[in-house]
Amino acid sequence: EPEVTQTPSHQVTQMGQEVILRCVPISNHLYFYWYRQILGQKVEFLVSFYNNEISEKSEIFDDQFSVERPDGSNFTLKIRSTKLEDSAMYFCASGGPGAGGQFYGYTFGSGTRLTVV
Amino acid sequence: AQTVTQSQPEMSVQEAETVTLSCTYDTSESDYYLFWYKQPPSRQMILVIRQEAYKQQNATENRFSVNFQKAAKSFSLKISDSQLGDAAMYFCAYRSAGVSYGKLTFGQGTILTVHP
Repeated sequence: EPEVTQTPSHQVTQMGQEVILRCVPISNHLYFYWYRQILGQKVEFLVSFYNNEISEKSEIFDDQFSVERPDGSNFTLKIRSTKLEDSAMYFCASGGPGAGGQFYGYTFGSGTRLTVV
Repeated sequence: AQTVTQSQPEMSVQEAETVTLSCTYDTSESDYYLFWYKQPPSRQMILVIRQEAYKQQNATENRFSVNFQKAAKSFSLKISDSQLGDAAMYFCAYRSAGVSYGKLTFGQGTILTVHP
């Protein structure tokens, strides 16, 4: 079964440093997302991406965040200057049609645990 | 804006028994999708079941079924013949059908413990 792959699985960074989280979505999917889950809390939407541009973003997704699909297969989330409160699990997801061409759902990656110290 | 509420922070069930997890949502839209996702200790998000709002028939996937009450804006998940592997955090989620592949809005989650 196709998977969404995220790397690294765990990243520790110092406050103020830039981090790039990487994702390889399912190859025939066209819609890509980043979500965040602070430990023990609910999963929150950050941004959606379609046709090489942001289609929607939440208020969490401020100027410190950016997304990119640099080479047609990878989908990255960059945090320019990390803060302690950016420590969370970051999930990439992709969306596309299931069997028969109808909308099925979203496939999530295994997540990247970001720890800012 | 749509909101999703899971009022049960924790639930427990004996192995082989049945448990129901509750979810309510608030929306002014008539067409949407609802989902249940499972998050085991590995923290991966796994789709359990989905329901299209225009379908009156409740979705089922093996031991998992939903009770979708559109007028009441309720979407509960029933797990029959519970297994130890069902222990996880369960999230209810909403997606508008008006936006192609729009974002998911999640509830707070319910931790399910399965006792042997």
